[in-house]
Amino acid sequence: EVQLVESGGGLVKPGGSLRLSCAASGFTFSSYSMNWVRQAPGKGLEWVSSISSSSSYIYYADSVKGRFTISRDNAKNSLYLQMNSLRAEDTAVYYCARETDIVPDYWGQGTLVTVSS
Amino acid sequence: QSVLTQPPSASGTPGQRVTISCSGSSSNIGSNTVNWYQQLPGTAPKLLIYSNNQRPSGVPDRFSGSKSGTSASLAISGLQSEDEADYYCAAWDDSLNGRWVFGGGTKLTVL
Repeated sequence: EVQLVESGGGLVKPGGSLRLSCAASGFTFSSYSMNWVRQAPGKGLEWVSSISSSSSYIYYADSVKGRFTISRDNAKNSLYLQMNSLRAEDTAVYYCARETDIVPDYWGQGTLVTVSS
Repeated sequence: QSVLTQPPSASGTPGQRVTISCSGSSSNIGSNTVNWYQQLPGTAPKLLIYSNNQRPSGVPDRFSGSKSGTSASLAISGLQSEDEADYYCAAWDDSLNGRWVFGGGTKLTVL
């Protein structure tokens, strides 16, 4: 069974940093691209970042470029999102999602990040 | 402001057929396949339709998808109370070095 478990969310002040993790199991993690997608309270889904299976290709949404860094450790079956210079508008539930060739298919349960003073 | 455009709400009575539209452009729906997600209250999105009209294992055939040009639709037939949820369309966008784009979501109410 595919499982994705996010962690690392919490309350942080504007300008602060946070590192999210996503632990994967039930599939060959090193064979799949992975994504981070967020959802602000009461709002829709917003793609944040993607990383290919070998980390060769990395993409970011304009809203986080230069502040967030996606990475992965295939030996540890883990995906990460380093978030710096956090803003109030980054407040959201952050989901990690596995991607097949054509679609993000399985999603974790999400971790809440709240940016507030 | 979402890249893909969906109606904010839709409704139907049990047993009815409802459709939800999703409009995009040549850089996303016009050149790539469309996926649909169902998000029940308080849960993570679940893949409902991929590659325009394919259902993952376990998704009832009451759910179907279609695409034409730069628009797509999700149809739900034999509406059930448990279908009350938010529905999102998504597609890869070839602009700006590539990115996934989503619709703003449609809240489906079963009356």
